[in-house]
Amino acid sequence: DTAVSQTPKYLVTQMGNDKSIKCEQNLGHDTMYWYKQDSKKFLKIMFSYNNKELIINETVPNRFSPKSPDKAHLNLHINSLELGDSAVYFCASSQTLRAVTSNYGYTFGSGTRLTVV
Amino acid sequence: DQQVKQNSPSLSVQEGRISILNCDYTNSMFDYFLWYKKYPAEGPTFLISISSIKDKNEDGRFTVFLNKSAKHLSLHIVPSQPGDSAVYFCAASDRYGGSQGNLIFGKGTKLSVKP
Repeated sequence: DTAVSQTPKYLVTQMGNDKSIKCEQNLGHDTMYWYKQDSKKFLKIMFSYNNKELIINETVPNRFSPKSPDKAHLNLHINSLELGDSAVYFCASSQTLRAVTSNYGYTFGSGTRLTVV
Repeated sequence: DQQVKQNSPSLSVQEGRISILNCDYTNSMFDYFLWYKKYPAEGPTFLISISSIKDKNEDGRFTVFLNKSAKHLSLHIVPSQPGDSAVYFCAASDRYGGSQGNLIFGKGTKLSVKP
């Protein structure tokens, strides 16, 4: 019974397409995140949602838009995909906005490898 | 601008010996540090954490040491086992600052434990 699940696991698409990555958590956590791991292996925060409100929106192109229909879901929609969007995208959740109040920090999904050709 | 640095991309250790993974940080506002372990094709999983009010935290074979004056932390694994082979990420949090408790990650160190 996966705690944080992402779909699809792999996604290959052409430049200019629009795609979505879905994320669901069954932990009852209040906050969800999207991280991007680029070719240099850095894990960088993209967005976080706390109780359906966007809390952090880093300097991410507005082609990326998070959508949260409820507390258990945070989907990532990407418009007009570009080659540089190729990366592994990780969804994560934490018990509260202040992740460090929980000893476990974040719980991550297994990642979605996006390849733009 | 890397606020969390793991300068060793890889480390190879013999089974049964000690593995020491290092992490440096630049932001003096960081007050909570975590280590995550990641296997291929999986997401990072929480391993161990330490608050800035402590200098050591131990959990079984894993111990994290924090040297605040040097802005340095390390993860010790004793004894190392082949199943410990994975990428280890160091992460830090600024609990009350502008990052809103967001975790900042290093690039990771790939540990290989040889039988």
